[in-house]
Amino acid sequence: QVQLQQSGAELAKPGSSVKISCKASGYTFTSYDISWIKQTTGQGLEYIGYINTGSGGTYYNEKFKGKATLTVDKSSSTAFMQLSSLTPEDTAVYYCARSVYWGQGTLVTVSS
Amino acid sequence: DVVMTQTPVSLSLAIGQPASISCKSSQSLLGTSGKTFLNWILQRPGQSPKRLIYQVSKLYSEVPDRFSGSGSETEFTLKISRVEAEDLGVYYCWQGTHFPLTFGSGTKLEIK
Repeated sequence: QVQLQQSGAELAKPGSSVKISCKASGYTFTSYDISWIKQTTGQGLEYIGYINTGSGGTYYNEKFKGKATLTVDKSSSTAFMQLSSLTPEDTAVYYCARSVYWGQGTLVTVSS
Repeated sequence: DVVMTQTPVSLSLAIGQPASISCKSSQSLLGTSGKTFLNWILQRPGQSPKRLIYQVSKLYSEVPDRFSGSGSETEFTLKISRVEAEDLGVYYCWQGTHFPLTFGSGTKLEIK
């Protein structure tokens, strides 16, 4: 069955970067885009963007341009999202998703 | 961006009662393909969201038929004919017709 296994929680300092991973299994990795979604208590669910896992092409929600960078490693069927110049407003649970299948989420906490 | 407005914010229902959740979009979700990409997901406490309904009214195979979806253009409804204990959680509508994808703010279903 389709599974998306995300990396563990991250505690990061303001101004630093983190890179979250999303390892896919149970299907042909390069046949589906991987999307990333941010969830916070205050802002709810926000769509960050997606990556075409075959070509590496990306689409970013304007709000997250410059904040998120999406990449893939086809050899390991893994998608990555790097978040840069972190601020407390980036504290959230981040999900990867393949159409209607969601990963378990990765909590990123930004605190000094 | 398309704004998705969900009501009510919360519902407290006894098992066996019907439930109805409204979702309104700021723009028509009818796409150029003739399809309407309005979807519903359920996030149970401590879990990632799970798929429920796609393209307004189509249930995924694992979803019980006590769930139904309806609507068109900008107004949509999710109904549960008889609430069961496992239905508790937060229901979100989301649209995939226009980029960026956007989500409603959620409706929390509590069981009395």
